[in-house]
Amino acid sequence: DQQVKQNSPSLSVQEGRISILNCDYTNSMFDYFLWYKKYPAEGPTFLISISSIKDKNEDGRFTVFLNKSAKHLSLHIVPSQPGDSAVYFCAASAGGGADGLTFGKGTHLIIQP
Amino acid sequence: DVKVTQSSRYLVKRTGEKVFLECVQDMDHENMFWYRQDPGLGLRLIYFSYDVKMKEKGDIPEGYSVSREKKERFSLILESASTNQTSMYLCASSLGGRADQDIQYFGAGTRLSVL
Repeated sequence: DQQVKQNSPSLSVQEGRISILNCDYTNSMFDYFLWYKKYPAEGPTFLISISSIKDKNEDGRFTVFLNKSAKHLSLHIVPSQPGDSAVYFCAASAGGGADGLTFGKGTHLIIQP
Repeated sequence: DVKVTQSSRYLVKRTGEKVFLECVQDMDHENMFWYRQDPGLGLRLIYFSYDVKMKEKGDIPEGYSVSREKKERFSLILESASTNQTSMYLCASSLGGRADQDIQYFGAGTRLSVL
């Protein structure tokens, strides 16, 4: 049973526009959420995170929104740039990072010139 | 910068062989993890360790074991490699401490092919 779901395998966005990547979760014990970015043949790199006590976290062009009642989070990238083309993974943890992360299947973001 | 180093980028092994995947981190992190990534399945946790000589099963531990004799090194062992273990293997580490600030840092991955 998939506890973290990214329902869009791919997303195509024009350069300069906003990219919105979505993630849903089912485990109400999750209290920490992260987004990772992955290029081919490289390991995932940390992008941004949010604690369940917040509903928004912003870092430069990247903003993550958390809606706990809907068990939904989203990553906004504004403006989108060609270097943002990558696979984005949503991840969640419950009760402490030492237990490992539960990942979604990823969304392949393609930024078109 | 945190550096997580996986000893091999590519490995080709035969069915039945014993395979060792090595991972070293240089930031004195408490926690270390092994994941595998498969197309359409995302990253799945195999084993993790929160201290030297400690290990915990993740979501898919069958067919694998781990060893953590030193804080900086975490090894994944395939006792008898099988073709369904062909995958990208990713090692990660995290500092530990406050759960809502604990970020995992990943190595570049080892692409293992079992023939």
